[in-house]
Amino acid sequence: AQSVTQLDSQVPVFEEAPVELRCNYSSSVSVYLFWYVQYPNQGLQLLLKYLSGSTLVKGINGFEAEFNKSQTSFHLRKPSVHISDTAEYFCAVSDLSGATNKLIFGTGTLLAVQP
Amino acid sequence: DAGVIQSPRHEVTEMGQEVTLRCKPISGHNSLFWYRQTMMRGLELLIYFNNNVPIDDSGMPEDRFSAKMPNASFSTLKIQPSEPRDSAVYFCASSLDRGPGYTFGSGTRLTVV
Repeated sequence: AQSVTQLDSQVPVFEEAPVELRCNYSSSVSVYLFWYVQYPNQGLQLLLKYLSGSTLVKGINGFEAEFNKSQTSFHLRKPSVHISDTAEYFCAVSDLSGATNKLIFGTGTLLAVQP
Repeated sequence: DAGVIQSPRHEVTEMGQEVTLRCKPISGHNSLFWYRQTMMRGLELLIYFNNNVPIDDSGMPEDRFSAKMPNASFSTLKIQPSEPRDSAVYFCASSLDRGPGYTFGSGTRLTVV
């Protein structure tokens, strides 16, 4: 079974500063990895995904994430955040070998960008 | 592409009443998922359909919850009778079979008073 850990429930940061949101996963098989963003009172939107190939994945809105198999991590980064990036960010894992594409989500990290 | 469509967007009901939430997946997608989101428990997978057949309903909390998918373009999640602890945002998502990643609907915010 897979699991996802997002250690930081909230990350405050000033506008134009860099940010890293941490995600660690646990799985005995190969996985796909995802980051979703949820703006207030909205559904979840896919930010980026790692399926295979290059371990550095670029997504929308200037975000990127790096897959590190040895550390079982998939941390999300942005070099300079904007007020509009304030949202909840969810890391998720999907089992590659299973018969389903069920997604397991972390508990989320609230990114609070301050002016 | 209209995306995943959920209705209603908001629902307020009294304890004991029946509640039905609706979802229209993206055309061509054959996997459909119902999730519940609360502050305490985060995002929980309730049930998963593939080709209109329920594959995994282990997340359905109690017998008061039931879900159906009568055809490829429509699914319902029913709670009967509803209780205050069912208050949450319920999301529907769809994807292509084994396709990585879902497309989520905007959710239904359910409040049971």
